[in-house]
Amino acid sequence: DIQMTQSPSSLSASVGDRVTITCRASQGIRNDLGWYQQKPGKAPKRLIYAASSLQSGVPSRFSGSGSGTEFTLTISCLQPEDFATYYCLQHNSYPWTFGQGTKVEIK
Amino acid sequence: EVQLVESGGGLVQPGGSLRLSCAASGFTFRTYWMHWVRQAPGKGLVWVSRINSDGSSTNYADSVKGRFTISRDNAKNTLYLQMDSLRADDTAVYYCARDEEWLVGDSWGQGTLVTVSS
Repeated sequence: DIQMTQSPSSLSASVGDRVTITCRASQGIRNDLGWYQQKPGKAPKRLIYAASSLQSGVPSRFSGSGSGTEFTLTISCLQPEDFATYYCLQHNSYPWTFGQGTKVEIK
Repeated sequence: EVQLVESGGGLVQPGGSLRLSCAASGFTFRTYWMHWVRQAPGKGLVWVSRINSDGSSTNYADSVKGRFTISRDNAKNTLYLQMDSLRADDTAVYYCARDEEWLVGDSWGQGTLVTVSS
């Protein structure tokens, strides 16, 4: 099975900061990766698919990059509504696997 | 508007069974692959299973393989998850989600809580 290692597990940041979250795959997964945002008590929301394609309706301050084994999600200018937990998901081979999550908290 | 509504969760004893349902509306259900994803209390997301559009192909997480069965009734626009031999570590909120661009998409249900406890 492919393991997805997400880092950091949590971070504190201020409004306006640039934030980067990384996911590393245990083997190459091409660009078969998505990023999701989840707020407490809510279903996840997809931000990025195919590693770098922005989901319709998602603000352009969110971006994704990477291919193979290393991927990043960047929030260019953190907004109050961005404080949440973020997950990557690989869909290159079954079973699909999520990263363990990154909680973005207010500094 | 795409709507996915899960039901069937509840309290069940270890070793018991439960069947979850996910009623779909607002889109042509029979043309979409579908997924189940779960989240234990205070923990991260775990992909559980997926089924293709006509129900002929399925995949499972290692942790549920042989115990859970995903299925669908396209005439009823409904997705199912039959869960047998339940264990305490199956306790979680279970979400159904639509596949979009060959990945779990942006359309999710509200989730249904399954608690496995004696």
